[in-house]
Amino acid sequence: EDKVVQSPLSLVVHEGDTVTLNCSYEVTNFRSLLWYKQEKKAPTFLFMLTSSGIEKKSGRLSSILDKKELFSILNITATQTGDSAVYLCAVISNSGYALNFGKGTSLLVTP
Amino acid sequence: NAGVTQTPKFRILKIGQSMTLQCTQDMNHNYMYWYRQDPGMGLKLIYYSVGAGITDKGEVPNGYNVSRSTTEDFPLRLELAAPSQTSVYFCASTSRGTALYGYTFGSGTRLTVV
Repeated sequence: EDKVVQSPLSLVVHEGDTVTLNCSYEVTNFRSLLWYKQEKKAPTFLFMLTSSGIEKKSGRLSSILDKKELFSILNITATQTGDSAVYLCAVISNSGYALNFGKGTSLLVTP
Repeated sequence: NAGVTQTPKFRILKIGQSMTLQCTQDMNHNYMYWYRQDPGMGLKLIYYSVGAGITDKGEVPNGYNVSRSTTEDFPLRLELAAPSQTSVYFCASTSRGTALYGYTFGSGTRLTVV
């Protein structure tokens, strides 16, 4: 059975801090890993990672995948209160039709 | 472009009642999904469909039924509601061949069973 484990489950930081969120996975015939941001409503897509070692970047957010060690990290630099959200990691296999989500990391950025 | 539309947004049911959560998409997506999200948990797949007339169970299908008579609509039926079905329900869709890219999610239905 596919497994996605995120850590930490929750995190409180001060504005301006840098945070690193972790996602490890076990999936048969891995295809891709995706990151989502959820702010009290539907998740919104951040990144999709398929190849190891290639960093995806969008503003202050970046993510990278390690297919050998079966994990991904999501970095947020110079955090802002608007980054407060639940960050979800999901994986999909080549034989799968649906995303398999982790429990999420709840991030709170305080002023 | 409406995207994925879910109705209702909120609902309170009594134990044993039944209801249908509606989901409609106007993007001609073949793949549609129903997830539930409990507090502090990720999304768990209830049912999915890869096209009209085709549905399959996900991780937590018990107590639910679905149908997919058209490409646009993917309703989720709750029979004999139980408190364990109190959750937020999300419908999502994606186009054929790009299921690995971000889904388009509906805004969710918050259901409370009392």
